[in-house]
Formats: sequence, C-alpha cells, structure tokens
Amino acid sequence: AQKVTQAQTEISVVEKEDVTLDCVYETRDTTYYLFWYKQPPSGELVFLIRRNSFDEQNEISGRYSWNFQKSTSSFNFTITASQVVDSAVYFCALSGTLTGNQFYFGTGTSLTVIP
Amino acid sequence: SAVISQKPSRDICQRGTSLTIQCQVDSQVTMMFWYRQQPGQSLTLIATANQGSEATYESGFVIDKFPISRPNLTFSTLTVSNLSPEDSSIYLCSVVGLTYNEQFFGPGTRLTVL
Repeated sequence: AQKVTQAQTEISVVEKEDVTLDCVYETRDTTYYLFWYKQPPSGELVFLIRRNSFDEQNEISGRYSWNFQKSTSSFNFTITASQVVDSAVYFCALSGTLTGNQFYFGTGTSLTVIP
Repeated sequence: SAVISQKPSRDICQRGTSLTIQCQVDSQVTMMFWYRQQPGQSLTLIATANQGSEATYESGFVIDKFPISRPNLTFSTLTVSNLSPEDSSIYLCSVVGLTYNEQFFGPGTRLTVL
C-alpha cells in the first residue's frame, strides 16, 4: 500500500529558529517519487521539490534542505532561520509506477512562525 | 512548468444546485486530475480526467455526483451536483507535466454551500 505519514500536525517556532518537518512513507514500488508542497493561507499549492527513489543525495535550496533516507523511509524537510513568510501548511506526497502516477498526500503539517 | 487556471476562484452556492469548475492548462498534458480539500484536511483525489473517455473515479466518488469532462488535452471541467454543505471544500485541478512525475496544481476553487 502507498501511504504518507506526517505525524506533526502543527508546529510553532519563533522567527530565525530552524524547524524540521517529518515525512515517513510506505510503498511497494521500487521506483517512486517524493514531493514537498507548500500551501500558504491563500490556498494555492506551491511545488517545492521532487526526489526519485534512486537519488538519496540531500538537497539544499537557500534556507530549505531535504534529507532523504531510504533505510528509514523518510523524507524530512528542514527550514533554516525560519521567517514569518514560511508560515503555511506543508504537504509531503508520494507517487509510484505501480499506482499509475497517482499522488498520495500526507495530512500536512501546519507551520506557524512567530515574529 | 505548466500554468493552470481555474474558474471560478470561489463561489457561494445554495443547497441543491450545481457548480461547474473549469480548468485550463497552457500546454498539452497527458494526465489531469481533480482533488478535493475539505477544510483543514489533506488532498483527496476525486478522479482522473481522461481525454475523450469517461473519467476514472476513486473509491467514494461517483459520476452522478461529480461528472467530469475532458474534451481535449488542455481543458477539463468538474461539476459538483446536488450541492450540500458537506461539499464545501477547495477543489483543485492538477496536471502531470511532460517531465515524468512533476505535478502542478491550479489555484483552486473555494466552494461554500449554504
């Protein structure tokens, strides 16, 4: 079965703190993709990153970094020096060839950055 | 990346009526999907919109309630029929880009049913 778990429902941090959003997944696929999306209060979904299952190299983009570990089936997202504009709901998602590109979303983590 | 527009961006409807949401993509795409996001919840896939044939619905969603059309590779509509307050949600159109497994979302349609 395909499943994405985001155990953290809500997180609050003070501005400039670092914060890590957890994502754990389950899949029977050998080839699969993992994603993070940001949904600010305005409602649109903003694509942040895609990783495929063969690339475990960590990625950094500005204040954002992602840690993909197949051994623990995790794809965690860290925001360094958080800012108020980072306040949003963040969704982790999974897709794989066995499910014909269907996306499975986690329940989301609501991040509030307090000024 | 694909640019997706949705109409309307929001609407308030009366119980028992229907709302049709349009999704337009600026390029030809192979796969189009419709999602529902109920307040405070994650995204739930309603159906895959198939070009030239009937949509493929997920468990719990039926064609009579959510008829979908996709007349070409860049356009689709979702109708939410016989509206009830429980249908109050954000409805999102999404597409898979030409690069495998890049999925882009429209801005969403925020529906409130009174």
